[in-house]
Amino acid sequence: AQTVTQSQPEMSVQEAETVTLSCTYDTSESNYYLFWYKQPPSRQMILVIRQEAYKQQNATENRFSVNFQKAAKSFSLKISDSQLGDTAMYFCAYLNYGGSQGNLIFGKGTKLSVKP
Amino acid sequence: DAGVTQSPTHLIKTRGQQVTLRCSPKSGHDTVSWYQQALGQGPQFIFQYYEEEERQRGNFPDRFSGHQFPNYSSELNVNALLLGDSALYLCASSSGHIVGLGGYTFGSGTRLTVV
Repeated sequence: AQTVTQSQPEMSVQEAETVTLSCTYDTSESNYYLFWYKQPPSRQMILVIRQEAYKQQNATENRFSVNFQKAAKSFSLKISDSQLGDTAMYFCAYLNYGGSQGNLIFGKGTKLSVKP
Repeated sequence: DAGVTQSPTHLIKTRGQQVTLRCSPKSGHDTVSWYQQALGQGPQFIFQYYEEEERQRGNFPDRFSGHQFPNYSSELNVNALLLGDSALYLCASSSGHIVGLGGYTFGSGTRLTVV
């Protein structure tokens, strides 16, 4: 069975600085998707960034980028120029390719606080 | 374009009672998945509905059941409520039974408190 581990329960960063959130996962599959979701106090899960495992190039979305190390089964999220609105819970999630086993497997989350 | 709509937003029930939660998927989506998020935890998969049938199920007891209607909306029913069922219940919709990089769109959830 696949598992996702986030080893940092809480992190804080000063506004405008850079922070990296860690995620490791375990799977015997070779094709899959990885996601980072943000959950602000409004509770809605918002997709931040996604990565296809067969792509070696790391995904980027504006201030958000990932460091995907497939052999190490590591998928970290880097947030550059942190903003107060980035304060939220961040969840790393795994999804089998093809989606017939289409349920997301989440880590326990990292609570990020951006301080002014 | 409305996203995923869940109702009610909050609910308080007594142990042993039954509860029904509702979800309307994003326009154009036909697949609905339900997740339970206990306090301080990541969401856990309950089940997924596609073409009005339960396609997959997570490790949840039969007290948890669901339904999908022809308009793709869905209900989650929980019978014989336990204190441990207190959680945020999230609905996620997607397009097609093969979920790819498009991923899921989540609602804001229903906060269920069992007393």
